[in-house]
Amino acid sequence: EAGVAQSPRYKIIEKRQSVAFWCNPISGHATLYWYQQILGQGPKLLIQFQNNGVVDDSQLPKDRFSAERLKGVDSTLKIQPAKLEDSAVYLCASTWDGYEQYFGPGTRLTVT
Amino acid sequence: GIQVEQSPPDLILQEGANSTLRCNFSDSVNNLQWFHQNPWGQLINLFYIPSGTKQNGRLSATTVATERYSLLYISSSQTTDSGVYFCAKGTGGYQKVTFGIGTKLQVIP
Repeated sequence: EAGVAQSPRYKIIEKRQSVAFWCNPISGHATLYWYQQILGQGPKLLIQFQNNGVVDDSQLPKDRFSAERLKGVDSTLKIQPAKLEDSAVYLCASTWDGYEQYFGPGTRLTVT
Repeated sequence: GIQVEQSPPDLILQEGANSTLRCNFSDSVNNLQWFHQNPWGQLINLFYIPSGTKQNGRLSATTVATERYSLLYISSSQTTDSGVYFCAKGTGGYQKVTFGIGTKLQVIP
């Protein structure tokens, strides 16, 4: 069974630029999560999808971050415009039953 | 307040030693997982354990939901066990998940 796929693995941008991350969950997993992990901290949930609907986006900075999961499968997370404090690893996870989560390798973003 | 508390924050072990990592959570859970984040940043599932005890090789975990804690045991530690161990709890029908800050483990030869 293929795992959660994410791309790109690394991205370096300048502040005020925009960036997009892509995630393809494990086949059949209805629930998809995006997390932000700042160095030295635990992952923080940004947004949770159930199929193509948003379940929780209470910690998503909506003035600059957006996410979509149009067909209930893969998802994109966008930052526009990026700030220095957005430098982090962005992790995607999925689960078929809403319980046990499986994580992708992450995208390491550096904003200069 | 802090919803998931992990201890100790840092741990250095000699290879072959045993250790216990603790996770306290502030409210009831119906989902608790332990993860190992390796030096390359990948989060690896160790246990899904909302209650009871599970074992997988040198690792085992116990969750006592009524007392709001979970323990991860590592026996005969190896250098490959190094990394950060996270516990994460989920609550609610859609399982809103909260992670602890992790325990950073270094196993030295």
